[in-house]
Amino acid sequence: GDSVTQMEGPVTLSEEAFLTINCTYTATGYPSLFWYVQYPGEGLQLLLKATKADDKGSNKGFEATYRKETTSFHLEKGSVQVSDSAVYFCALSDLSNTGKLIFGQGTTLQVKP
Amino acid sequence: DAGVIQSPRHEVTEMGQEVTLRCKPISGHNSLFWYRQTMMRGLELLIYFNNNVPIDDSGMPEDRFSAKMPNASFSTLKIQPSEPRDSAVYFCASSPRSGNSPLHFGNGTRLTVT
Repeated sequence: GDSVTQMEGPVTLSEEAFLTINCTYTATGYPSLFWYVQYPGEGLQLLLKATKADDKGSNKGFEATYRKETTSFHLEKGSVQVSDSAVYFCALSDLSNTGKLIFGQGTTLQVKP
Repeated sequence: DAGVIQSPRHEVTEMGQEVTLRCKPISGHNSLFWYRQTMMRGLELLIYFNNNVPIDDSGMPEDRFSAKMPNASFSTLKIQPSEPRDSAVYFCASSPRSGNSPLHFGNGTRLTVT
């Protein structure tokens, strides 16, 4: 079945460092892809999304490009801030058209001043 | 837009007791999802509804778990009897339509069963 695999964390970076969180997926067809962020004590929030191959989603300095050839959707940010410390989830949409999302296991990011 | 509202935020109960978690989705959203989050298993989809009808409950761990959606603005997840291994954060999420719509999550209910 469909699945999402993320790089294991935690990822620890210094402020202003470059961030990459890897995400690869397995799916039949061409799902939409999402990144969600979870801050401590809160629910998940949509960070960005891409609905077709070669689309680039972006928000708050984060970017991810839908790569069909490598079945990847890596999250990047050029310069992280302490406030970016959170858990990041990659997800794909179920093609049954029900709105169901399949999530990766999450990657914890800690940014130190 | 008040977002998805879950109650209670925290629940501590003893093993064997009944637990009811509540969710109010965003008005106008017609899909509702219940997820469970633990350190060991990550984020698991338990059940989801479309237009108040349960579509897939294959993620419900066992018969002790049940979920209802009596109308478009309210859903419950019940655990009876509760066990310590049910301790987790339970999230409710809603979506305005099916397909590529993003999910909107509530802030979750942290359940502790002692």
